[in-house]
Amino acid sequence: QKEVEQDPGPLSVPEGAIVSLNCTYSNSAFQYFMWYRQYSRKGPELLMYTYSSGNKEDGRFTAQVDKSSKYISLFIRDSQPSDSATYLCAMLRGDTDKLIFGTGTRLQVFP
Amino acid sequence: SAVISQKPSRDICQRGTSLTIQCQVDSQVTMMFWYRQQPGQSLTLIATANQGSEATYESGFVIDKFPISRPNLTFSTLTVSNMSPEDSSIYLCSVEFGRATEAFFGQGTRLTVV
Repeated sequence: QKEVEQDPGPLSVPEGAIVSLNCTYSNSAFQYFMWYRQYSRKGPELLMYTYSSGNKEDGRFTAQVDKSSKYISLFIRDSQPSDSATYLCAMLRGDTDKLIFGTGTRLQVFP
Repeated sequence: SAVISQKPSRDICQRGTSLTIQCQVDSQVTMMFWYRQQPGQSLTLIATANQGSEATYESGFVIDKFPISRPNLTFSTLTVSNMSPEDSSIYLCSVEFGRATEAFFGQGTRLTVV
């Protein structure tokens, strides 16, 4: 079983839709949870990270962590065609500095 | 943040040959990281490169196959040696400031081995 599971998609939504991207994990030692956005032929760029459980909002993006369910989500409100990319979740234990990534979900927002 | 430049951005290579990928950062960093991103698979850490010491390799990756140099605090190279089609992948350079929660990536090198 992989430590981090992420549905690869693709997920196709119309412009303006609310998008929900999710990852599940098996290692309860993970404490930091990151979301990266990767455009085609580019490297991943950090969108946001959260520590422990709860929500964190940044503009149209909201990251949510439910440690009891080992489940994290990224919500994108009012999605735009420019949001079309692959979204990677990543996790980090408190005692190491090694990122564990999901496989990424490809998102397409059509006008 | 950091500006990370990788060269080449892409290459097509013959099996049995080697390719060296360069990574240049616009600021000094203690540790640099090399990742592999294979189609449909997670980003996987190959090795961590500290300036002035040998790179530390993750399970499944060996120095003979992926030799790394780190001559100064802004530059590193990864060589993919004796390539086979299974080495076709995107190779990414990464740096961190503080913790891995703030990792930055280069644009990647897309390698195709034929």
